[in-house]
Amino acid sequence: AQTVTQSQPEMSVQEAETVTLSCTYDTSESDYYLFWYKQPPSRQMILVIRQEAYKQQNATENRFSVNFQKAAKSFSLKISDSQLGDAAMYFCACHSGTYKYIFGTGTRLKVLA
Amino acid sequence: DAGVIQSPRHEVTEMGQEVTLRCKPISGHDYLFWYRQTMMRGLELLIYFNNNVPIDDSGMPEDRFSAKMPNASFSTLKIQPSEPRDSAVYFCASSRLATEAFFGQGTRLTVV
Repeated sequence: AQTVTQSQPEMSVQEAETVTLSCTYDTSESDYYLFWYKQPPSRQMILVIRQEAYKQQNATENRFSVNFQKAAKSFSLKISDSQLGDAAMYFCACHSGTYKYIFGTGTRLKVLA
Repeated sequence: DAGVIQSPRHEVTEMGQEVTLRCKPISGHDYLFWYRQTMMRGLELLIYFNNNVPIDDSGMPEDRFSAKMPNASFSTLKIQPSEPRDSAVYFCASSRLATEAFFGQGTRLTVV
């Protein structure tokens, strides 16, 4: 079975500071993909960043980057220079050979002005 | 492309009534997913289709739930009869193979 665990129900960060959201996963597949999605109050699910498991290099998208530790099955999201608009629920997801996308329980990020 | 389109955005119905949620995936996407989101259980995968064929419906909670995909551009999720505990946000998403899943804006269902 495939599982995704987010152990931080809620995190806070000061505006302009850096925050890291944690995610661990488990899959028996050798080929898989990992994602972070953002869900603002509008409830729209928005892709933040994607990582292919076969790539050793960590993915980066502007202020968002990941720390992908394949052996540890860890996939954390780092948000640099946090902005008020980053406040949202963040979901980690794993997608593998079964083509299912399995999501974690989410981390609510608060950005303090 | 307009993205994944779901209708209605909001639905309020009485217990025992039939509810039908609709989804139009992104053109060219061959996978379609139905998710349910609640505070207690988070995002649960209910069922997914590949090329209009249901592949895994193990997440469908009860026989009251059914889903169809009669063609590549349309899918429905039906609840009959509906119960208050079915109240949730229902998302439809589509994807092509290993690319990211694109989500619709969801249907907020309230069963009173």
